Amino acid sequence: GESVGLHLPTLSVQEGDNSIINCAYSNSASDYFIWYKQESGKGPQFIIDIRSNMDKRQGQRVTVLLNKTVKHLSLQIAATQPGDSAVYFCAENTGRRALTFGSGTRLQVQP
Amino acid sequence: GAVVSQHPSRVICKSGTSVKIECRSLDFQATTMFWYRQFPKQSLMLMATSNEGSKATYEQGVEKDKFLINHASLTLSTLTVTSAHPEDSSFYICSAITIFGGSTDTQYFGPGTRLTVL
Repeated sequence: GESVGLHLPTLSVQEGDNSIINCAYSNSASDYFIWYKQESGKGPQFIIDIRSNMDKRQGQRVTVLLNKTVKHLSLQIAATQPGDSAVYFCAENTGRRALTFGSGTRLQVQP
Repeated sequence: GAVVSQHPSRVICKSGTSVKIECRSLDFQATTMFWYRQFPKQSLMLMATSNEGSKATYEQGVEKDKFLINHASLTLSTLTVTSAHPEDSSFYICSAITIFGGSTDTQYFGPGTRLTVL
C-alpha cells in the first residue's frame, strides 16, 4: 500500500553541526507534507510544512526540501543543539485530512 | 492558541476492564478529530476519524466495537477501549482540525495518553 518511509532510523551528530533527515514517500497524490518532532512520552510537535507546489521552505534553523520527481522529502536543521534530540517524523496528507506518518528517525546530538 | 489536551495522561488498568480517554480542543472548535496509536519505537498509526455529530470512520483492522469513539461536541472526543487486554497497551494520541478559520490541513496534536493493561 501507499506509505511514507525513512532511510535512516538513527542519526547521531555533534552539537553545532547541521543535521539532515530524509524521508521517502510513495503517494504521488500527496499535496502537503509536514515534519514533526516527538520527544519521549509526548505528542508530535509541528516543525515545518510544505505544499507540493513548492520545493523549499525555510523556518527558524530548519529547512524542508521537497523533490517530487523522486518523491523525497528532507529536513535540514542548522547548528543542531542538544534540545533538538528527539524522534522526527515526516507525514503526508493525501487529501483525506488524516496524516500518514513515516517510520521516524531518532536524532542524537552529542555535546 | 490551538491547544489540544488529553486526559488522563497515564492510565493503568486490569485486563478486561474498559478505559475512557478524553481529547479536548481548548480554544477552538474541532470539527474533526483523529485518533492515533503508537507502539514503542514505532510510528503513529491512524485508528479512526471522528466528525462531530456523526459516527467515526475506522481504519482497516481497527475494531469499532472495541475502540468506541464519541464526538458529541465540537470540543470533545472520547475513545473508550473496551475489555482491554495487554496487547492494547500503547500510546494513544488525538489530533484535531477545524474548518472555522485557518487551514484545514493544520492538525493540532494532544500530548498523548499512555495506556498500560496488566
